[in-house]
Parts: sequence; structure tokens; C-alpha cells
Amino acid sequence: KQEVTQIPAALSVPEGENLVLNCSFTDSAIYNLQWFRQDPGKGLTSLLLIQSSQREQTSGRLNASLDKSSGRSTLYIAASQPGDSATYLCAVIFLTGRRALTFGSGTRLQVQP
Amino acid sequence: DVKVTQSSRYLVKRTGEKVFLECVQDMDHENMFWYRQDPGLGLRLIYFSYDVKMKEKGDIPEGYSVSREKKERFSLILESASTNQTSMYLCASSPSPGQGADQPQHFGDGTRLSIL
Repeated sequence: KQEVTQIPAALSVPEGENLVLNCSFTDSAIYNLQWFRQDPGKGLTSLLLIQSSQREQTSGRLNASLDKSSGRSTLYIAASQPGDSATYLCAVIFLTGRRALTFGSGTRLQVQP
Repeated sequence: DVKVTQSSRYLVKRTGEKVFLECVQDMDHENMFWYRQDPGLGLRLIYFSYDVKMKEKGDIPEGYSVSREKKERFSLILESASTNQTSMYLCASSPSPGQGADQPQHFGDGTRLSIL
């Protein structure tokens, strides 16, 4: 079964700290991988998309990397701020099967002022 | 900017009612999706559609149906609502691979549905 796993489930850090969120997936044959942010009671906001042929993507203080061979992606957040507090979700479209996202369960991040 | 609009943010219905959740996207995307999100279970795919009048079952289609009569609109139907369908429902859209392999999936704000 194709699955996506995120560790840790929750993380609390002081403001200003650099942090890494982890995502792993069971099948290296992927179409792309997306990182999303979700604020409480809201929908999902797309942060970064990494295509299968890419190794990383950057947007501002966010950097996402992809290592297909090991089935891993990381989301790096530099100089964290209280406004970064949210749940971060990793999702993958696998090449075999349907072209729909399979989601991890998310990492709930709390950045303390 | 892509806009995915869900018709209601909050909805309260009674057991046994037929419930319609509407979703509209404004970017001419081929693909549209319905998910539900529950604490501890994450996001699960209910149904999706690659084109008008086409539909595919996701992981948890039981008790639901969908309709896509126009490209921009994808409706989720609860045929006879039950309390275990109380959840947050999220609609999303994305272009087909031919429209851009690097285009992300865009989500609406969600509908929090309560079945009493």
C-alpha cells in the first residue's frame, strides 16, 4: 500500500529557531510531492511543489528537499516566527495508480514568542 | 490566483437528509477532488473527476456520490446523511499533466458539516 508518513506529529520551538519537518513515502515512483500549510478550521495552502525530477524548491524562508531513492522529503523553515504556527502536511502523487494526492497525517507546529 | 470556492463554510443537517456540497473553481482545471478530514485520520479522498461527467472512486466513497455536469463545478452528494459523516469536507482542483506538471493542487476553505 502506498503511504505517506510525517514525523513528528507535533513540534514546539522558540521563535527564531531553524527547524526541519520530515516526510517519508513508501514508493519512490512519484509524480510530484507537495507541502501544504493548514491553519485551524481552514483549508490547505500550497507552500512548495517538487517535481519528480527536482531535488529541492525554495520560497522565502522555506526550503523543501526530495530524495526519491530513500523515499524522503524535508521541509526546512529558517528563523521561525509565531506566524508559522500551523499544521504542515506533506502529500505525494504516486506514478502507479490514480493521479490524486496521498496525504501524511501532518506535523502540528507551535512557535513560541 | 486560483480560486476554489465551496458554497458553505458551516452546514448543519439532520440524519436521513440528502445533502449537497458545492465546489466551483475558476482556472479551467481538468481535475477536481473531494476529501474529508477527521482528527486522527487525516485527509481521505472520497471521489475525484478528471473531466466533465467523469468520476472515480477514492478511498471512502461509501455513502457519497458526485456530479460534474460542468467543468468548473463538482458537487458532493450525501444520499442519506448519517452522523458518521460529520466532518470537514475539502474540495480541490488541479490541472491535468498536459496543462502543467508543476502546477499544485489548490484547495477551498472547507465546509464543516454537522449531521444531527
